[in-house]
Amino acid sequence: NAGVMQNPRHLVRRRGQEARLRCSPMKGHSHVYWYRQLPEEGLKFMVYLQKENIIDESGMPKERFSAEFPKEGPSILRIQQVVRGDSAAYFCASSPNRGQTNEKLFFGSGTQLSVL
Amino acid sequence: AQKITQTQPGMFVQEKEAVTLDCTYDTSDQSYGLFWYKQPSSGEMIFLIYQGSYDEQNATEGRYSLNFQKARKSANLVISASQLGDSAMYFCAMREGPGNQFYFGTGTSLTVIP
Repeated sequence: NAGVMQNPRHLVRRRGQEARLRCSPMKGHSHVYWYRQLPEEGLKFMVYLQKENIIDESGMPKERFSAEFPKEGPSILRIQQVVRGDSAAYFCASSPNRGQTNEKLFFGSGTQLSVL
Repeated sequence: AQKITQTQPGMFVQEKEAVTLDCTYDTSDQSYGLFWYKQPSSGEMIFLIYQGSYDEQNATEGRYSLNFQKARKSANLVISASQLGDSAMYFCAMREGPGNQFYFGTGTSLTVIP
């Protein structure tokens, strides 16, 4: 049973380009969370998605950032027109989310985005 | 208000000693879960231990135990017999209610000294 798969592991973009980060949740998990982590800092919540639905995007910047979790395929975090301040580690986590508070998050290995 | 507060940015402990990492939380829900994760320098997030709000006993997992004081809204992690491999960032987290998001603290960096 494969864990949460994120790719790419490292992504280098120039300012103004688009970054697409992918996350395949664990088998049987229907909920995906995206977090951003700056060096020496904690995890900052970005967005929480269910298949074909955004449940909570209160942590997403209003511009340039979007996320989706289609019926088929991985969840995608998309950053348009990247700037240097977007450089960070982006973690995806999944949960079965049967509505129980003891359901832990399973994390991917993260994508390290570097903007030149 | 912060949902999860970790007031110790950095901690040092001598190898083989015990260490306590502090965590306080804020919720008005009766049902919630508290979690600790470890993040070594390699970057992955490793689940350590879970405590439910209705659990009367403190959770234990090997050398990890969670000192749960509900009235004080604290959920401190205790690591006994520290090892060099315990050097890492440690994050406290809370899950409130059904289907809600996880809240993470800012983390505590633990360094184990040989």
